[in-house]
Amino acid sequence: QKEVEQNSGPLSVPEGAIASLNCTYSDRGSQSFFWYRQYSGKSPELIMFIYSNGDKEDGRFTAQLNKASQYVSLLIRDSQPSDSATYLCAVNFNFGNEKLTFGTGTRLTIIP
Amino acid sequence: NAGVMQNPRHLVRRRGQEARLRCSPMKGHSHVYWYRQLPEEGLKFMVYLQKENIIDESGMPKERFSAEFPKEGPSILRIQQVVRGDSAAYFCASSPGPAGELFFGEGSRLTVL
Repeated sequence: QKEVEQNSGPLSVPEGAIASLNCTYSDRGSQSFFWYRQYSGKSPELIMFIYSNGDKEDGRFTAQLNKASQYVSLLIRDSQPSDSATYLCAVNFNFGNEKLTFGTGTRLTIIP
Repeated sequence: NAGVMQNPRHLVRRRGQEARLRCSPMKGHSHVYWYRQLPEEGLKFMVYLQKENIIDESGMPKERFSAEFPKEGPSILRIQQVVRGDSAAYFCASSPGPAGELFFGEGSRLTVL
């Protein structure tokens, strides 16, 4: 059974601080990794994807991938109240079939 | 450029009735995925379809559930003889092809009374 694990939280971070969200996955051969944000009652929206080891930055967001440790993280710099949401980590275990396996999500609350 | 369109947004059914959920992918996308989300839980994969073909239905319950994506028209997820445990949000997502990220619709929220 291929799995994606996340700490469900809730994670509370003061406004302006860095929020760090973590995710581990079970299949060492996994190729692509995604972070989605989901506001309560809404659909998931893609924030970032990463395919290669290392860091990938996009504005206030940085995705970090370590395939040897089977670990992917999302950093949110200068956290804003509007960042309060559930963050879903997703992994594509089979390249060429984009079925994504999702973690249960981490609920993030930014405290003003 | 319309996104992934799902309807109905909300559907109420009594136990034993049928539910039909529809999904039109983004323009140019030929791959459709259905996911189910229970309250306070993550997204669970159900089925992956391309036009006229089911590619992966490993997450679909063996009974009462079926999905199709015909040559013309939207993809349809059909749930027969619904039970209370079927109450959930059903999300459809589309992608342009292999190794592409998924774009989600707003979801259809099914309530079974």
